[in-house]
Amino acid sequence: SQQGEEDPQALSIQEGENATMNCSYKTSINNLQWYRQNSGRGLVHLILIRSNEREKHSGRLRVTLDTSKKSSSLLITASRAADTASYFCATVTNRDDKIIFGKGTRLHILP
Amino acid sequence: DAGVTQSPTHLIKTRGQQVTLRCSPKSGHDTVSWYQQALGQGPQFIFQYYEEEERQRGNFPDRFSGHQFPNYSSELNVNALLLGDSALYLCASRQFNRGWKQETQYFGPGTRLLVL
Repeated sequence: SQQGEEDPQALSIQEGENATMNCSYKTSINNLQWYRQNSGRGLVHLILIRSNEREKHSGRLRVTLDTSKKSSSLLITASRAADTASYFCATVTNRDDKIIFGKGTRLHILP
Repeated sequence: DAGVTQSPTHLIKTRGQQVTLRCSPKSGHDTVSWYQQALGQGPQFIFQYYEEEERQRGNFPDRFSGHQFPNYSSELNVNALLLGDSALYLCASRQFNRGWKQETQYFGPGTRLLVL
């Protein structure tokens, strides 16, 4: 079953613009993570935000978490062609140790 | 320091056959999880192994089984293959953490299975 739901399903933007992806989830979480996947290959962990945190930064990435709305957003600033990939949010609940992924957002950076 | 490795990279089987996929975790990691990713979907959690035992399981039938060896490597076995088992199978490893649920996992490149 899917816990997270990313929005939009697909996004195309011009190189240099900012890209924002959203994730909504259903049950209380311990932490939320964002991953990137290039062309159906292995996933790369981008950032983890704990339930008691509201915002985290890593390079050009900014993640926010709103536990009252059960939602998170991933912002990629100054996008590059190499950012073209699928992005997944994944949640870990307090109930168990499983990581549950959403269906992903397919991001395409136009030259 | 080698990352997570998986073998084989690609595999073609026919319905009804059995398949074994292999995973070697990142050095220092003792926990291995397996995921199935159908085309255009997010990864679905199959199960997790720690101390050579299945610790958690997702919503997958008993046809899916696994094993973890003393060196922490792991196998995923699928019996009586169905067409719907065609997918990318991902292995992920981490170091078990009994305290705070810091769950950064490192994924392998995956094994792409095609069932004909």
